[in-house]
Amino acid sequence: GIQVEQSPPDLILQEGANSTLRCNFSDSVNNLQWFHQNPWGQLINLFYIPSGTKQNGRLSATTVATERYSLLYISSSQTTDSGVYFCAGNTGGFKTIFGAGTRLFVKA
Amino acid sequence: SAVISQKPSRDICQRGTSLTIQCQVDSQVTMMFWYRQQPGQSLTLIATANQGSEATYESGFVIDKFPISRPNLTFSTLTVSNMSPEDSSIYLCSVEDLPRTSVREQFFGPGTRLTVL
Repeated sequence: GIQVEQSPPDLILQEGANSTLRCNFSDSVNNLQWFHQNPWGQLINLFYIPSGTKQNGRLSATTVATERYSLLYISSSQTTDSGVYFCAGNTGGFKTIFGAGTRLFVKA
Repeated sequence: SAVISQKPSRDICQRGTSLTIQCQVDSQVTMMFWYRQQPGQSLTLIATANQGSEATYESGFVIDKFPISRPNLTFSTLTVSNMSPEDSSIYLCSVEDLPRTSVREQFFGPGTRLTVL
């Protein structure tokens, strides 16, 4: 099965800073998503982005499918951005594989 | 997107007992899944809940331990049987609305936080 690597595993930011999270896949993926798991455990959909670039407020994401990676950009970080960010994808079947996540803490 | 609810939201159980978790969706969906998230870990797929037939389990998960029902297109249950402290996890259901949409995007319920003593 496909392997999903996320980096960095942990990240501490000062409020207002920008950051880039990376997700690498060992094989081509047909569907790629980014999620934010808040401190209460809720998984929030950020982007469905099998290819290309999308933006939603302070967040944007880019997937380069041919090179099997995706990036999540967080600009002007806020304390409410804290939590764990997961990328996930599959190769067309029903099994979605999640990365290990990036734990983000934004200091006030 | 579909609105997904889970019951209970959390529970503390004694070892050897069983707990059934319910997942309710506010609209009919084609695909429903159950995931486990052990403390500090990522999500692992337990099984795909199939409407009207036996669930499809991933390697390492068996029906005797995690029986699943899906009687219709809006509801599913996961039972965690004969629990041990190693079963302490967050259990999440998720849905996809394939093939009604061409977008294979998964949405998750709020999760059930289980602690086994």
